[in-house]
Amino acid sequence: SQQGEEDPQALSIQEGENATMNCSYKTSINNLQWYRQNSGRGLVHLILIRSNEREKHSGRLRVTLDTSKKSSSLLITASRAADTASYFCATAYNNDMRFGAGTRLTVKP
Amino acid sequence: DAGITQSPRHKVTETGTPVTLRCHQTENHRYMYWYRQDPGHGLRLIHYSYGVKDTDKGEVSDGYSVSRSKTEDFLLTLESATSSQTSVYFCAISEGRGLNTGELFFGEGSRLTVL
Repeated sequence: SQQGEEDPQALSIQEGENATMNCSYKTSINNLQWYRQNSGRGLVHLILIRSNEREKHSGRLRVTLDTSKKSSSLLITASRAADTASYFCATAYNNDMRFGAGTRLTVKP
Repeated sequence: DAGITQSPRHKVTETGTPVTLRCHQTENHRYMYWYRQDPGHGLRLIHYSYGVKDTDKGEVSDGYSVSRSKTEDFLLTLESATSSQTSVYFCAISEGRGLNTGELFFGEGSRLTVL
């Protein structure tokens, strides 16, 4: 069974708006990662946040991690049509890494 | 882009036939993985390798075998393909694992259809 559960499953917004995706998980983690997948392509790593970190930024991306609630969120600010893709969280713990089913983001121009 | 090449990219085969998917990397990363991606399931680990001739099972290993005779190549074999193995298969590589698990680099995927 998958470790991370993304919410919502699908999200549709207008260009320029912010997009927030959430990930909940069930067990301990060493780190949590977010990946992006364009249609028909492989996954691309976006950002990694360690279990002892609470927030991380990378360009227009902001990731938060709340280990007490076993949840993480990915915020994409000022979204663009090119951000249209599926976004996956992945939890890493010891020798195990599990992916969620993803959030499908559509950004309308 | 990480140097990962999967072949074939698309394959249609019949139930009961053997199928081998190949992953080739030019990054000299120690760890290599095979995942399958199905709607509603995200990515699920089939097998992984932590060195030449060193492999281990993942979450959904039944019906699959792997081999790694060289650092750069990781093969996934379906000995007798079934319709339930219709999926998109992704190869991934990483430098670290366990406590040092970091970024995974993915190939472009191999779409397999078993009729």
